[in-house]
Amino acid sequence: AQSVTQPDIHITVSEGASLELRCNYSYGATPYLFWYVQSPGQGLQLLLKYFSGDTLVQGIKGFEAEFKRSQSSFNLRKPSVHWSDAAEYFCAVAGMDSSYKLIFGSGTRLLVRP
Amino acid sequence: GAVVSQHPSWVICKSGTSVKIECRSLDFQATTMFWYRQFPKQSLMLMATSNEGSKATYEQGVEKDKFLINHASLTLSTLTVTSAHPEDSSFYICSARAGGLQGNQPQHFGDGTRLSIL
Repeated sequence: AQSVTQPDIHITVSEGASLELRCNYSYGATPYLFWYVQSPGQGLQLLLKYFSGDTLVQGIKGFEAEFKRSQSSFNLRKPSVHWSDAAEYFCAVAGMDSSYKLIFGSGTRLLVRP
Repeated sequence: GAVVSQHPSWVICKSGTSVKIECRSLDFQATTMFWYRQFPKQSLMLMATSNEGSKATYEQGVEKDKFLINHASLTLSTLTVTSAHPEDSSFYICSARAGGLQGNQPQHFGDGTRLSIL
């Protein structure tokens, strides 16, 4: 069965420090992978997506993610975190059936120290 | 581009009331819309998939008669919580996906509706 694991419930980094949020997936083929961000009381905003091709994808707000098939991972990175990046981050994989459902990880809450 | 508007953003009502939530894709046509429920500090739980012009597909454990979904046009889907009770209080989020059979069309999300039943 398809699944997404985000092993870190909370991560705290200092402003200006680098960030890596982990995501592992379980899927039988090359998946469609997404990272979304959710601010408190808001919906989700798409940061970036991977479908095929270059395994390093660039997203909005200075984020990037790298697809590693051998590790079944799609980790999100940012070289220098800003206080406004504090939010909940969700990794998701799209189902390959015709429903195109998203399977979400449990989320990682990012806290930024001033 | 790819803006999804959800309305209302917050609603408080008495137990037994029915509440309608609208989800609109403003600048694209959405053949498929999804409705999620999110409990505090948890991930999103898919409730149902709404396809334009056809009946919604509900996830296991979601009551069809309780959560009525209508996707009457390519830009509008509605979720009606019928005879709402306090246990229905939650954050409801919709998303919309542009048409096509390719799985690489991302879902675009509304800002959610906070439903509080007294």
